[in-house]
Amino acid sequence: GAVVSQHPSRVICKSGTSVKIECRSLDFQATTMFWYRQFPKQSLMLMATSNEGSKATYEQGVEKDKFLINHASLTLSTLTVTSAHPEDSSFYICSAEKVEETQYFGPGTRLLVL
Amino acid sequence: QKEVEQNSGPLSVPEGAIASLNCTYSDRGSQSFFWYRQYSGKSPELIMFIYSNGDKEDGRFTAQLNKASQYVSLLIRDSQPSDSATYLCALFVYSSASKIIFGSGTRLSIRP
Repeated sequence: GAVVSQHPSRVICKSGTSVKIECRSLDFQATTMFWYRQFPKQSLMLMATSNEGSKATYEQGVEKDKFLINHASLTLSTLTVTSAHPEDSSFYICSAEKVEETQYFGPGTRLLVL
Repeated sequence: QKEVEQNSGPLSVPEGAIASLNCTYSDRGSQSFFWYRQYSGKSPELIMFIYSNGDKEDGRFTAQLNKASQYVSLLIRDSQPSDSATYLCALFVYSSASKIIFGSGTRLSIRP
């Protein structure tokens, strides 16, 4: 199998607070994980590539100081949305690369910032 | 030109018929292609991957790749209402930061 989990599945927070989202590969090791964001009725937008043991690679236009990524082990990557604002409300999805080039997605985290 | 192009749909197909989803891409160097299915409010699920020219079959799904014409398609035989979803075409791009590029997706609706 290729199971990827995310926690929490849904989070509501106040503007200005920070939110941490965890992504775990449950039955395989992933040196590379990816973080996406998806707004309603829009396609996936890659935010960053997370590499175990090294700094994440951010896509153009994504603020690395606002979206902190840590890939501390071969099965865990975390995304922290710092000082969240209502415009950060979105569906955040991680994926993990099991074998080269093939990604498996987590179930996603729905973030609502009030 | 977008790297991966798909017709946004919606594509409406009667139950039991064949649904045909198409995708074109611009990077001639791409070698790996994927089809993901995404139900509304859910994350994408890998359906098929294909690396070689020709057809690849898995159950009711057949992926077709034509690298010379730069298109990849997905056929769904005996379409079921549960196949109604958005289908994302994706390809692997080799660069300084290798990654998968997704198309915007085609909405498929299977009508009973």
